[in-house]
Parts: sequence; structure tokens; C-alpha cells
Amino acid sequence: KQEVTQIPAALSVPEGENLVLNCSFTDSAIYNLQWFRQDPGKGLTSLLLIQSSQREQTSGRLNASLDKSSGRSTLYIAASQPGDSATYLCAVRPNSGYSTLTFGKGTMLLVSP
Amino acid sequence: EPEVTQTPSHQVTQMGQEVILRCVPISNHLYFYWYRQILGQKVEFLVSFYNNEISEKSEIFDDQFSVERPDGSNFTLKIRSTKLEDSAMYFCASSLETMGSPLHFGNGTRLTVT
Repeated sequence: KQEVTQIPAALSVPEGENLVLNCSFTDSAIYNLQWFRQDPGKGLTSLLLIQSSQREQTSGRLNASLDKSSGRSTLYIAASQPGDSATYLCAVRPNSGYSTLTFGKGTMLLVSP
Repeated sequence: EPEVTQTPSHQVTQMGQEVILRCVPISNHLYFYWYRQILGQKVEFLVSFYNNEISEKSEIFDDQFSVERPDGSNFTLKIRSTKLEDSAMYFCASSLETMGSPLHFGNGTRLTVT
């Protein structure tokens, strides 16, 4: 059974710092991995989707990498801003079966001005 | 940008009552999903739906749950007889295709069972 772990559970940084969020998964037979942002009491906003054949994806100040063989992904946020404060979730989709996403518990990020 | 919309945003119901949660997926998407998140826990898969039938469901999705696409735009989740442990945030999601496309989630319905 796929397990997804995100470290750290919480992170507090001053504005302007570059930071890295980690996601690990136990079964490397994944089709893709998706990073989401969740604001308190809100839905999930898709940030980046990395297919299993890809190494990284970039969108603005966000860069996500994937090392499928070692079961790891990182989300790099450059020049963090207070508006980046949210919970960041990663989710993996298996190679087999349909479309079930298995989520990690998330990293709660607080960027202080 | 098109988005998934869910109503209501908050639903309070008494134990044993039936509830229907409503979702309007993105219009050209073909695959629809329900996930839920109990407070403080991970987001969990409930069910996926394609071509007017369930394509996959989890152990959580027992006989008390059902889904329906009553018309060309709505997608609903019904809980027949709610239990206290059904209290959670329920998210609807949709995707263009089953595997390679990102899932787009709605803002969720917070269900409180008293």
C-alpha cells in the first residue's frame, strides 16, 4: 500500500528565503506526482504535475523535482513571500489502476514579513 | 480560469439524516472524483466516476454512499444515513483524462454531523 510522507510537518521562515519542502513515497511505481496548495478551510489548488518520465517542472517561483527510483520529490520555493503561507500537499498517482491519488499530510508553511 | 464549484460550503445535519453534496465540474472534463479530509488528517479518496458509472471506489465508500450525474453539469455525492464520523471536508475534483491530467479540486463542503 502506497504511503506518502511529507517533511517537515511545519516550517516558519522570514520573507525572502528560499525553501525546500520534501515528499517521499514508498512505492516507486507511480504514473505522476502532483503538488497542491491548501489555504485554511479552502480547497486544493494544483501547483505542479510531474509525469514519471520527467525530472522537474517549473512554474514561476516554484520548482518541483522528482526522483522516482528513490521515491522522492521536492518543491522548491524561491524568494518566499507572506502570500505563500499555506499547507503544501503532495499526491502520487499509481501506475496501475485508475486515478486514485494518495496524499501526504502536508507541510504547513508560514512566511513572516 | 474554469473551476470546480461546490455547494453548499457548509452543511450541518443530524445523525441519521440524508445529505446531498453538489458539484459542478469543469465543463470539458470527463472524469469526476470525490475525496474527503477529516480534520487534521490526510485527504482520502472516495470514488471516481467516468461515463456515467463508478470506475473505482475506496473502502470508505460503502453502501451508505452513492454518486450521480443527474444532468450534463452536476455531480452529486449522497450519504444516505449520516454518522458522526462522516464529519469532514468533502472535495469534488475533475480531470480531462484519467491518468496524465492534473486533478482540479473545488473549495469543498464542510459537513458537520451532530
